[in-house]
Amino acid sequence: DTGVSQDPRHKITKRGQNVTFRCDPISEHNRLYWYRQTLGQGPEFLTYFQNEAQLEKSRLLSDRFSAERPKGSFSTLEIQRTEQGDSAMYLCASSLLTGEGRGELFFGEGSRLTVL
Amino acid sequence: AQTVTQSQPEMSVQEAETVTLSCTYDTSESDYYLFWYKQPPSRQMILVIRQEAYKQQNATENRFSVNFQKAAKSFSLKISDSQLGDAAMYFCAYRGGGSRLTFGEGTQLTVNP
Repeated sequence: DTGVSQDPRHKITKRGQNVTFRCDPISEHNRLYWYRQTLGQGPEFLTYFQNEAQLEKSRLLSDRFSAERPKGSFSTLEIQRTEQGDSAMYLCASSLLTGEGRGELFFGEGSRLTVL
Repeated sequence: AQTVTQSQPEMSVQEAETVTLSCTYDTSESDYYLFWYKQPPSRQMILVIRQEAYKQQNATENRFSVNFQKAAKSFSLKISDSQLGDAAMYFCAYRGGGSRLTFGEGTQLTVNP
């Protein structure tokens, strides 16, 4: 297992289109997180899952955004009717729930979204 | 809500010198974790160092160490013997009783040869 992987790495879309990002966490990690990062800023929390349950959603996550983790493994983040303000890097991270190292998030390389 | 503040948007250091990055946070919790993450250009974020709030001893990882002042809610990162590969954006982050990690705005570190 080489870490958290995200796909695609870069997506260019036209305003109004739908996009979906996929995240594959580290296999033994129970928790999976989505963050959004705009240029020069720190990541902003969007949502997180513990196994397949979505336990918390930020107010940043409008109704155009939906995230799933159907089998407690990979996760998808879908953005419907994209807007130019959605342009950002979408980061996925995973972590252990218990044990030594709990709380440390391991990040993927991110999926960069450009909305034209 | 917890907040994390990094008051230095940019810092620079000469190679082989020491630099300290500042971070303050606001919380009413007594048990929490603090982290410094490094994000090189166009590369993924990686953990530099972590500190559990209940531990009084400051964490150290090779050339990286922290000065954790719990009462002052301060958590600075010291990088000794700076190397060109240390150039990156550094983020301070807080994790309390909830599961989310809250990040500061970041400090862009430049290492001059």
